[in-house]
Amino acid sequence: NAGVMQNPRHLVRRRGQEARLRCSPMKGHSHVYWYRQLPEEGLKFMVYLQKENIIDESGMPKERFSAEFPKEGPSILRIQQVVRGDSAAYFCASSPPSGKATGELFFGEGSRLTVL
Amino acid sequence: AQSVTQLDSQVPVFEEAPVELRCNYSSSVSVYLFWYVQYPNQGLQLLLKYLSGSTLVESINGFEAEFNKSQTSFHLRKPSVHISDTAEYFCAVSEDQAGTALIFGKGTTLSVSS
Repeated sequence: NAGVMQNPRHLVRRRGQEARLRCSPMKGHSHVYWYRQLPEEGLKFMVYLQKENIIDESGMPKERFSAEFPKEGPSILRIQQVVRGDSAAYFCASSPPSGKATGELFFGEGSRLTVL
Repeated sequence: AQSVTQLDSQVPVFEEAPVELRCNYSSSVSVYLFWYVQYPNQGLQLLLKYLSGSTLVESINGFEAEFNKSQTSFHLRKPSVHISDTAEYFCAVSEDQAGTALIFGKGTTLSVSS
């Protein structure tokens, strides 16, 4: 069974460009979460999605950031007009439908964004 | 609002020594507690969790953690560490058993040397 798949693993962008990070959850998982990890800081929750719905986006910056989890295909975290402060590791995690949840999130290996 | 404090950012120890990684949390309601481990250039993996029942929980690789409600702590311990335990350890709290809103601490880097 494939785990949570994230791509690209590494992404370099210049200031002002757009970054798109993709996440395919584990098979059978319908919940996706995005976290950002900055140096010397822990993981900061960004957004929680189910298929075609944003459940909680309380951790998302108000501007330039958006996320989606379409009916078909991976979840996408999109950062428009990137700035140097967006440089970080972005982790995606997934979990089963609520009725089968065990309290465990399954994490991907992360996408490391570098903004020049 | 929930928060998690990991008091030590770096913990260097020698192989076969005991170790304790400290974690304190704050929450106004009942919580569920987790420890995750992150090896270099990898994602996080669940190490152990407290949802209910016995306050002492164990992992398959010798770690244990005890939920102490009065001290709002969930410290992680291992009586004898190995070089392979070198990693970053994150404590996390959720008010939801499904862990749908995990709040993480800043992490503790455990460095085991021979």
